[in-house]
Amino acid sequence: NAGVTQTPKFRVLKTGQSMTLLCAQDMNHEYMYWYRQDPGMGLRLIHYSVGEGTTAKGEVPDGYNVSRLKKQNFLLGLESAAPSQTSVYFCASVASGVQETQYFGPGTRLLVL
Amino acid sequence: GENVEQHPSTLSVQEGDSAVIKCTYSDSASNYFPWYKQELGKGPQLIIDIRSNVGEKKDQRIAVTLNKTAKHFSLHITETQPEDSAVYFCAASKGGSYIPTFGRGTSLIVHP
Repeated sequence: NAGVTQTPKFRVLKTGQSMTLLCAQDMNHEYMYWYRQDPGMGLRLIHYSVGEGTTAKGEVPDGYNVSRLKKQNFLLGLESAAPSQTSVYFCASVASGVQETQYFGPGTRLLVL
Repeated sequence: GENVEQHPSTLSVQEGDSAVIKCTYSDSASNYFPWYKQELGKGPQLIIDIRSNVGEKKDQRIAVTLNKTAKHFSLHITETQPEDSAVYFCAASKGGSYIPTFGRGTSLIVHP
């Protein structure tokens, strides 16, 4: 199993450009999440999904959109990137049931100039 | 909503010493408390977790303690090694919600 993978690993954008970050998991997990990690701020939840076709807002959703058309994929979109969105983005997934362990991807480093 | 405070933000120890990281939470309904370790350039990985019906849990050199009354929980690492150097995150959630709130992280540095 590859676990949770993220594409791309690193990207530089100019202000106003758009892009999509892809997260894929091969563990048949129901729940998927997008976090951003900034120095001294920990992990902040952007959006999450409790199953295929569902999405919900997290703590910091402004400026981002998500889609979960397939159970194994969770896409994070930036329609008009801003320098404040410079961050490291992590995707995670969780299986439903007693075990609530979050499995994280390796991260995507995004720089918005 | 839930608020998780984590201290210290940076912890520097000598190899072989013990390290303790503390977290407090605000929502008394939270009952699941995981700890994640993040090595440089990687995503966080679960190292140990505890539920509110247990006061302490150990796994080799790491242990977690929980005080429900005071709403705080701690990570203890004994006989630290250089490979323990990483950022550690605590989190709290209501069991079954699958939405944890993370602390801001502690950067642990173990000097050889």
